[in-house]
Amino acid sequence: EVQLVESGGGLVQRGGSLRLSCEATGFVFSSFNMNWVRQAPGKGLEWVSYISSGSTSIYYADSAKGRFIISRDNAKNSLYLQMSGLRDEDTAVYYCARGYYRIDYWGQGTLVTVSS
Amino acid sequence: QSALTQPASVSGSPGQSITISCTGTSSDVGGYNFVSWYRQLPGTAPKLMIYDVTNRPSGVSNRFSGSKSGNTASLTISGLQAEDEGDYYCSSYTGTTLVFGGGTKLTV
Repeated sequence: EVQLVESGGGLVQRGGSLRLSCEATGFVFSSFNMNWVRQAPGKGLEWVSYISSGSTSIYYADSAKGRFIISRDNAKNSLYLQMSGLRDEDTAVYYCARGYYRIDYWGQGTLVTVSS
Repeated sequence: QSALTQPASVSGSPGQSITISCTGTSSDVGGYNFVSWYRQLPGTAPKLMIYDVTNRPSGVSNRFSGSKSGNTASLTISGLQAEDEGDYYCSSYTGTTLVFGGGTKLTV
């Protein structure tokens, strides 16, 4: 069974940093492209960042460029999102999500709350 | 990276059919046959319902179908059931990234 389990969310001050992690099980992690997708409270889904299976291609939404860094460790079956310069509008549930042309599996999400 | 356009809400009675539209541009919906649809229930992660415009993942009811014409994709749910309620999102590949619609709340 495919499972994606996020961790690392929490309360952080405006301007602060946070590192999200996602542990993948139930599939060959190194063969799949991965994403981070977020959802602000009461709002819709927003794609944040993408990393290819071998980390050779990386893309960011304009809202994340220059502040977020996506990475992965295939030996540890893990995906990461290093977030810095956090703003109020970054408050959201962050989902780890598998896929490229589509998202076929999602984690349960981890809540990031940015507060002054 | 503008969001795709979906109606905020649609409603229907049990047994009826409804259609949710998803309008983009030639750079996303119109340019690729990689439109997907997701259903999200409160407090849970989205679930893939349709991919590559018309395909259903294993386990998804054949009451769900997808189509596309030009820059607009559509999700049709036939024989509406109470369990179909939820928020529905479309997404499209853009050549490098994914873009999502704003979401549509379906009330049965």
